[in-house]
Amino acid sequence: DTAVSQTPKYLVTQMGNDKSIKCEQNLGHDTMYWYKQDSKKFLKIMFSYNNKELIINETVPNRFSPKSPDKAHLNLHINSLELGDSAVYFCASSQDLPGGIGNTIYFGEGSWLTVV
Amino acid sequence: DAKTTQPNSMESNEEEPVHLPCNHSTISGTDYIHWYRQLPSQGPEYVIHGLTSNVNNRMASLAIAEDRKSSTLILHRATLRDAAVYYCIPSPSGTYKYIFGTGTRLKVLA
Repeated sequence: DTAVSQTPKYLVTQMGNDKSIKCEQNLGHDTMYWYKQDSKKFLKIMFSYNNKELIINETVPNRFSPKSPDKAHLNLHINSLELGDSAVYFCASSQDLPGGIGNTIYFGEGSWLTVV
Repeated sequence: DAKTTQPNSMESNEEEPVHLPCNHSTISGTDYIHWYRQLPSQGPEYVIHGLTSNVNNRMASLAIAEDRKSSTLILHRATLRDAAVYYCIPSPSGTYKYIFGTGTRLKVLA
């Protein structure tokens, strides 16, 4: 059973389209995240939700809108896709705060988005 | 946020120990040191974490300098499956935000 699962794994789409990536975790965690890994392999946090509430919103264009229908799901919707949005998007979850004493973050396998 | 410095890349022979260093000279007294690794085409996975004392688990050991300004991840016998990018992440207690640096790309030679 996959702990954090994302769909789709691969997505090729044209500029200007709107697309969504879905994420589900079956770990019973309270906190979920979206990370973006660009072509230079830098991994940056985009959003974090705790108990369905947005707690981190990094400097991300408002074309990106996360939605958390319940604690187990965090979806990422992207409007008006641009070439620069091409990246690998990772969903992750943790039991409350990941830092400090070590609540581990569990990552999904990634969604490879290519905008053409 | 504490800054980290790690070698861009390292090589090791299979079945030999590997020591992956990390400098985190601006770490604060309450920051834990977490290590994650990212295997090719996968998401990062937890390896180990510690505060002051050296730590061991089934995957690795973590040696933390007495002044806490550096740490070393030790893989006791590298295997080909250990080839990955290893990230050292000082993590304040109570934060939701992990900051991943550039990491060290470990290549394991057969």
